[in-house]
Amino acid sequence: KAGVTQTPRYLIKTRGQQVTLSCSPISGHRSVSWYQQTPGQGLQFLFEYFSETQRNKGNFPGRFSGRQFSNSRSEMNVSTLELGDSALYLCASSLGWLETQYFGPGTRLLVL
Amino acid sequence: GENVEQHPSTLSVQEGDSAVIKCTYSDSASNYFPWYKQELGKGPQLIIDIRSNVGEKKDQRIAVTLNKTAKHFSLHITETQPEDSAVYFCAASWGSSNTGKLIFGQGTTLQVKP
Repeated sequence: KAGVTQTPRYLIKTRGQQVTLSCSPISGHRSVSWYQQTPGQGLQFLFEYFSETQRNKGNFPGRFSGRQFSNSRSEMNVSTLELGDSALYLCASSLGWLETQYFGPGTRLLVL
Repeated sequence: GENVEQHPSTLSVQEGDSAVIKCTYSDSASNYFPWYKQELGKGPQLIIDIRSNVGEKKDQRIAVTLNKTAKHFSLHITETQPEDSAVYFCAASWGSSNTGKLIFGQGTTLQVKP
């Protein structure tokens, strides 16, 4: 079974731009969660989607948004990028509540 | 609040020795506790997990113990090998509602010296 895939793997943007990251979950998984990983803050929960519905959202500004499609693929968008948004963005998929979350390799975003 | 404390932040052991990483959590509703290993340039990989109805779980050289009363859980790696060198994260599920949100500890960098 193929694992979680994320595209692109690397991105360089400038302040003020927006970015869209994509995540394809493991086949059959309906839950997709997004996390931001930085050296200072560690792994922080962004949001979770299940069957196209956002079930939970972390403590991030409204510039961070996401969505999930009917095939469970998910995208997250960050608008008006700031330098502090530079991070590794990780996507994880699972079958559902309290099931094992499998992480993708992440998208490394650098904001200049 | 949402918090998972993880100690130590770095751990250096000799090959063959045991390594122990400890975590405490704040949400009494947490009932799922996974441990992840992250190698450089990769996403976290699940190595073992435990649910609140179990006090201990073992998988070959890796074991996890859970004390729900004290709100802490620990990872034990025996007979460490150089390939165990990585960053290890503990996590706890958040809340009792139907959500997959995990709160992560700050990570432990484990170095196994050959």
